[in-house]
Amino acid sequence: QKEVEQNSGPLSVPEGAIASLNCTYSDRVSQSFFWYRQYSGKSPELIMSIYSNGDKEDGRFTAQLNKASQYVSLLIRDSQPSDSATYLCAVFYFGNEKLTFGTGTRLTIIP
Amino acid sequence: GAVVSQHPSWVICKSGTSVKIECRSLDFQATTMFWYRQFPKQSLMLMATSNEGSKATYEQGVEKDKFLINHASLTLSTLTVTSAHPEDSSFYICSAGPGLAGRETQYFGPGTRLLVL
Repeated sequence: QKEVEQNSGPLSVPEGAIASLNCTYSDRVSQSFFWYRQYSGKSPELIMSIYSNGDKEDGRFTAQLNKASQYVSLLIRDSQPSDSATYLCAVFYFGNEKLTFGTGTRLTIIP
Repeated sequence: GAVVSQHPSWVICKSGTSVKIECRSLDFQATTMFWYRQFPKQSLMLMATSNEGSKATYEQGVEKDKFLINHASLTLSTLTVTSAHPEDSSFYICSAGPGLAGRETQYFGPGTRLLVL
């Protein structure tokens, strides 16, 4: 089992709808959780970080963390065509001293 | 957020030459920086962890003599691809973060696209 797993997609969502991206991680001592967005041909860009169970909101983005179930999700409200990108989930495991990335989910917002 | 820069953004070279890529943290100090490689339509692959003042830690399968890393200061790490060959053509990206170990928020540089002819 991979340490950080994401559905590779592609995930297609109509413009204006809610896009839901999910990520599961292995049962190790995890410290921090991150969502990055990567446009084609560009480097990853940090969107959200979350450290505690529950929801964290930032504009149209909401990160949700459930440590008991070992998943972290990203909700994008009022999806825009500019949200079309690959979204990477990353976990910082205690003692590992580096981020472990999922393979990414490709999101397409349909106008 | 913190800013990480890379130079150059593009490089084209002949097979057999060496190429140096710089990664700088512009508004914070970074004792640790990370180097990634990404081939088209593939995932990020961590190559090595660059540690200021000490040797880099390479991931399994990455040749340390091929990819030389020097982290000479708290704001600069360099990756040198020695004797580059066409199969080394890729997108090289560095990351760094100002946070405390264990809660590391990593910011990525814009990347360097290498084409070896």
